Amino acid sequence: GENVEQHPSTLSVQEGDSAVIKCTYSDSASNYFPWYKQELGKRPQLIIDIRSNVGEKKDQRIAVTLNKTAKHFSLHITETQPEDSAVYFCAASNPFGNEKLTFGTGTRLTIIP
Amino acid sequence: DSGVTQTPKHLITATGQRVTLRCSPRSGDLSVYWYQQSLDQGLQFLIQYYNGEERAKGNILERFSAQQFPDLHSELNLSSLELGDSALYFCASSARGRGYTFGSGTRLTVV
Repeated sequence: GENVEQHPSTLSVQEGDSAVIKCTYSDSASNYFPWYKQELGKRPQLIIDIRSNVGEKKDQRIAVTLNKTAKHFSLHITETQPEDSAVYFCAASNPFGNEKLTFGTGTRLTIIP
Repeated sequence: DSGVTQTPKHLITATGQRVTLRCSPRSGDLSVYWYQQSLDQGLQFLIQYYNGEERAKGNILERFSAQQFPDLHSELNLSSLELGDSALYFCASSARGRGYTFGSGTRLTVV
């Protein structure tokens, strides 16, 4: 089955700097890669996703890049703000399989004011 | 409101007891997933149902069971509860080609 590795497990950046979180996946059939943000005690919320037919997607300060050959994808947050502090999870699935998402282990991002 | 409804929000129970967690998926979603999240841990996949049938199973204990009913709501049953079962239990639903939407979770405390 699919295996998703996520790095780093913790990340601290100064407010206004950029943050990058990286994930690798093992199943070459996976073609859907969402990212979730989870604030303390709350539900994970989808913040951006990418499908394998594109290499990059951007939504304001958030972008995701995908390298299918190397089987890795990354989340980039620019101009970080205190409200970006949260745990971020990457995930991968094959929507034409059983659709189950396999999650990475999470990255705790702390924005230092 | 995500459209995925979980009840109850909080549950406190004693060791050895049995509880039932309930999830109503977002309208139109046929798949329901259950995840367990212990303190400061990741999302541990328990089980998936699709249109009433079990589709995938993760690290679900034998003391735990689930089902999905004809109206697509799902229940997760936890029995012979232990202190280590204290966690946030999330339900999520999805439609083909779309990402998960999570419910707000049920916080279970076993004392």
